[in-house]
Amino acid sequence: DIVMTQSPDSLAVSLGERATINCKSSQSVLYSSNNKNYLAWYQQKPGQPPKLLIYWASTRESGVPDRFSGSGSGTDFTLTISSLQAEDVAVYYCQQYYSTRTFGPGTKVGIK
Amino acid sequence: QVHLVESGGGLVKPGGSLRLSCAASGFTFSDYYMSWIRQAPGKGLEWVSYISGSGSNMYYADSVKGRFTISRDNAKNSLYLQINSLRAEDTAVYYCAVEMTTTDYWGQGTLVTVSS
Repeated sequence: DIVMTQSPDSLAVSLGERATINCKSSQSVLYSSNNKNYLAWYQQKPGQPPKLLIYWASTRESGVPDRFSGSGSGTDFTLTISSLQAEDVAVYYCQQYYSTRTFGPGTKVGIK
Repeated sequence: QVHLVESGGGLVKPGGSLRLSCAASGFTFSDYYMSWIRQAPGKGLEWVSYISGSGSNMYYADSVKGRFTISRDNAKNSLYLQINSLRAEDTAVYYCAVEMTTTDYWGQGTLVTVSS
């Protein structure tokens, strides 16, 4: 099974500042035949199911603000919130869908 | 619009069994893989299982293989998860979800509590 790790476990960022979350997979999730990374990012707020933010490592889901961006390839990925807003306080998970599915342990983002 | 509603959760004793259901609407159910994902209280997300649109292919997380069985009834637009030999560590909110080409949809979840 592909194991996903995330860092940091939590971070606190001032409003308007950048937040960066890292995700690493135990093996590459880049499918060579289509050059796509099978990596998604989810946001989960308390009492709610997760919401898809990013798929194919860098494609924003429809309606997701452009302050959210994803990057990386192979085994190393990053979710960046360019200017943190109060409504972005949540737990963020990466997920690989290259081989079945696996979620990272999550990163809790709060306000400093 | 797409709507997923889970049911069947509750309080169960260790060693017991439970069958979770997920009623789907707003899309052609048989066209899509369906998944179960769980989340223990205060913990992260754990993918549990998924099943192909026809129901012929099923996949499970290693942690649940042999105890959990996923199935679907395309005539009833329903997804199921049979959970046997329940353990305390199975206590979680169980979500059903559908993945579409560029998005996915999740239900609100059903809580399973395993306790004596």
